[in-house]
Amino acid sequence: GAGVSQSPSNKVTEKGKDVELRCDPISGHTALYWYRQRLGQGLEFLIYFQGNSAPDKSGLPSDRFSAERTGESVSTLTIQRTQQEDSAVYLCASSLVSLSYEQYFGPGTRLTVT
Amino acid sequence: AQKVTQAQTEISVVEKEDVTLDCVYETRDTTYYLFWYKQPPSGELVFLIRRNSFDEQNEISGRYSWNFQKSTSSFNFTITASQVVDSAVYFCALSEAYTGTASKLTFGTGTRLQVTL
Repeated sequence: GAGVSQSPSNKVTEKGKDVELRCDPISGHTALYWYRQRLGQGLEFLIYFQGNSAPDKSGLPSDRFSAERTGESVSTLTIQRTQQEDSAVYLCASSLVSLSYEQYFGPGTRLTVT
Repeated sequence: AQKVTQAQTEISVVEKEDVTLDCVYETRDTTYYLFWYKQPPSGELVFLIRRNSFDEQNEISGRYSWNFQKSTSSFNFTITASQVVDSAVYFCALSEAYTGTASKLTFGTGTRLQVTL
């Protein structure tokens, strides 16, 4: 079956511009997560959706970052007024809400801010 | 606060050697899950194993085995007879486990494994 997909796979943007990153979770997965991976580092949690609501936004680094999810499917992560330190791979994951807690990851969007 | 430590930044082995990747975690929760993920050069994270905090049985899957020791808060991963295809970055992760609620993963910084011929 189809896995988690993300678009675009690569995005180069100029400092100060806004960007939107998209995630399509596995069909039927009600939980959706965004993580950020800076070069050579581990993954940092950004935000988690349960259905269309976001019970945990604790990882969003600043108010320039926001995310939404509609129809318990697609999610969009928006970064406003991008800065060079926003350059990273942004990973999306989804999971069934069950005791398994397995998260399935997408291929990521590599964001480069010049 | 939860924390996962992977002290080994990089390990190099020759094919067919056994290698153990260390993972130490911290949590105040009594119920939690531990995970290992593999990130090959292609970049996509691949789920390897999940363990809950009440199950301390060691697990073996082919050439992979995991040793969970609650007493030392460790969840180590061993690859037996390593192969070049095992070359990747391996991440250990921890999740809280509230019934009926999914939870974010807290990741370690990863261990890069390089297997050479």
